Amino acid sequence: SQTIHQWPATLVQPVGSPLSLECTVEGTSNPNLYWYRQAAGRGLQLLFYSVGIGQISSEVPQNLSASRPQDRQFILSSKKLLLSDSGFYLCAWSEQKNTEAFFGQGTRLTVV
Amino acid sequence: AQKVTQAQTEISVVEKEDVTLDCVYETRDTTYYLFWYKQPPSGELVFLIRRNSFDEQNEISGRYSWNFQKSTSSFNFTITASQVVDSAVYFCALEVDSNYQLIWGAGTKLIIKP
Repeated sequence: SQTIHQWPATLVQPVGSPLSLECTVEGTSNPNLYWYRQAAGRGLQLLFYSVGIGQISSEVPQNLSASRPQDRQFILSSKKLLLSDSGFYLCAWSEQKNTEAFFGQGTRLTVV
Repeated sequence: AQKVTQAQTEISVVEKEDVTLDCVYETRDTTYYLFWYKQPPSGELVFLIRRNSFDEQNEISGRYSWNFQKSTSSFNFTITASQVVDSAVYFCALEVDSNYQLIWGAGTKLIIKP
């Protein structure tokens, strides 16, 4: 069966520090991968998606970047965090476009 | 442009009551997909159902049922005989065939009191 791992679960980082969140998927190949952000009490906002190794599409211009160095690995990064980067970050995968997505457990990021 | 509206911000009912969560969507695309997800307090989103625009059959899964009506652009979710474990935030989402982006509603927080 397929599983998705996302870490860390919680992170407190000072303003201006770098960020690296990692997500890996097991049990499938060539999945579509997604990074979402959820502000408190709000719906999800798609940040990046990837349909293959090295392919990254950005939905929202911002202080963050994403990379997919391996087929089942998706990384969310920032060189310098802003206070506004605080939020709940979720990684997800799907078999293909328009199918259900399966989510990781999320990372709660607080920038102080 | 696409949009999903979940007008109910929070619903509170007593256990064993039936409850319906509303979802209204907007799109000009003829091929689209509708989803419901559950987000319990732990934060992880759990997939509940996917419906494509050509399948208006209602679906029942245990205590859960979904009513898809294209005429009113609605995809409502009913929980029958609610239980405390149903307490969560429920999200409705829309994806059009030409896009990778799920458009999410703001969510409805459901509180089931014992």
